Amino acid sequence: ILNVEQSPQSLHVQEGDSTNFTCSFPSSNFYALHWYRWETAKSPEALFVMTLNGDEKKKGRISATLNTKEGYSYLYIKGSQPEDSATYLCAYRGGSYIPTFGRGTSLIVHP
Amino acid sequence: GAGVSQSPSNKVTEKGKDVELRCDPISGHTALYWYRQSLGQGLEFLIYFQGNSAPDKSGLPSDRFSAERTGGSVSTLTIQRTQQEDSAVYLCASSLVAVGNTIYFGEGSWLTVV
Repeated sequence: ILNVEQSPQSLHVQEGDSTNFTCSFPSSNFYALHWYRWETAKSPEALFVMTLNGDEKKKGRISATLNTKEGYSYLYIKGSQPEDSATYLCAYRGGSYIPTFGRGTSLIVHP
Repeated sequence: GAGVSQSPSNKVTEKGKDVELRCDPISGHTALYWYRQSLGQGLEFLIYFQGNSAPDKSGLPSDRFSAERTGGSVSTLTIQRTQQEDSAVYLCASSLVAVGNTIYFGEGSWLTVV
């Protein structure tokens, strides 16, 4: 059983705050790490696919880093807005084409 | 369509009935995945199809669950003799096969067994 852990489980921040979450995964047999944003009643939205150690990716106010040697990825949101409220999921692909998902971090941004 | 399409969006069924959930992946995507999320749980892998290869069924929770993919495109997930613990959102996703490619999800089929 692959262990993909996300922390924190939930997070409440004020509008304008910057925040970050962690995804930890096995450091062996790494293929790729995916980040998704999932709003209720919508499809999970792909944010990043990261494949190389040291990768840093950015999409607007959201960015992510990857450390495959130690098995973690950080997702950062700069200047959180209420529309950023969602569950953020990471998924690890190692030795398999089948992604294993973490349980997600639920973010609520208060106006 | 441009994205992954799933139907029905919502389904309420009586315990013991069979249900079929349909997924229409993005055109040209050879990889197709089914996941589900039950209340309070994470996304749970069910089954994976890749081209004409035998599907990876290792995630199916019981023999009441089955899935097929016809012509390398549309997939149907069938749950026989539904139980209350089958209540969940069932998500389908598709991608090109290489591991660095994005996996695109549908909006899910929300199943409630009463």
